[in-house]
Amino acid sequence: GENVEQHPSTLSVQEGDSAVIKCTYSDSASNYFPWYKQELGKGPQLIIDIRSNVGEKKDQRIAVTLNKTAKHFSLHITETQPEDSAVYFCAATPFSSNTGKLIFGQGTTLQVKP
Amino acid sequence: KAGVTQTPRYLIKTRGQQVTLSCSPISGHRSVSWYQQTPGQGLQFLFEYFSETQRNKGNFPGRFSGRQFSNSRSEMNVSTLELGDSALYLCASSPYRVIGSETQYFGPGTRLLVL
Repeated sequence: GENVEQHPSTLSVQEGDSAVIKCTYSDSASNYFPWYKQELGKGPQLIIDIRSNVGEKKDQRIAVTLNKTAKHFSLHITETQPEDSAVYFCAATPFSSNTGKLIFGQGTTLQVKP
Repeated sequence: KAGVTQTPRYLIKTRGQQVTLSCSPISGHRSVSWYQQTPGQGLQFLFEYFSETQRNKGNFPGRFSGRQFSNSRSEMNVSTLELGDSALYLCASSPYRVIGSETQYFGPGTRLLVL
């Protein structure tokens, strides 16, 4: 069935270090992969997304890479800052549904220590 | 543009009652999806509406239902509430669905507590 595995579940880094979160999806037909950041008491906020025809996408300190063969995609945050501390979710759209359905990973709690 | 708005933000109900949650999408967005977020199960898809029609439904019992109005606003209803329905209910909106319009923008959620 449709499934997205996300690792690690928690990640603690020093301010200025890089953070990497990895996800694996099961549906080989998935074609859209967003990443969301959720702060306490708020809804998920889209931070970056990538489509299956692209291998890498960058936006300032954030980058996402996609390996379609291995069905992996990763979020990279460089020069982390305390305000990056939050829960991060990866997701995939199963192509078969072709509707507004996202399958989410279990989330990664990122803590950036000053 | 104003973001996705959800009302109410917090709700306390007792078992057996029913509840209706409301979502107003971003202006111009025609697709609305609903998700349930719990510590144990994470974010799970409930259903999606587009042009007042439910186009996809997740694996939830029939007690969970929804609808969409002609102005794209959406409501979801949960009948015969159970303790396990306590969760954050999130609404997300998307633009008109052509290829490349899967991006979903979430509201702040409605936190439901069932006692």
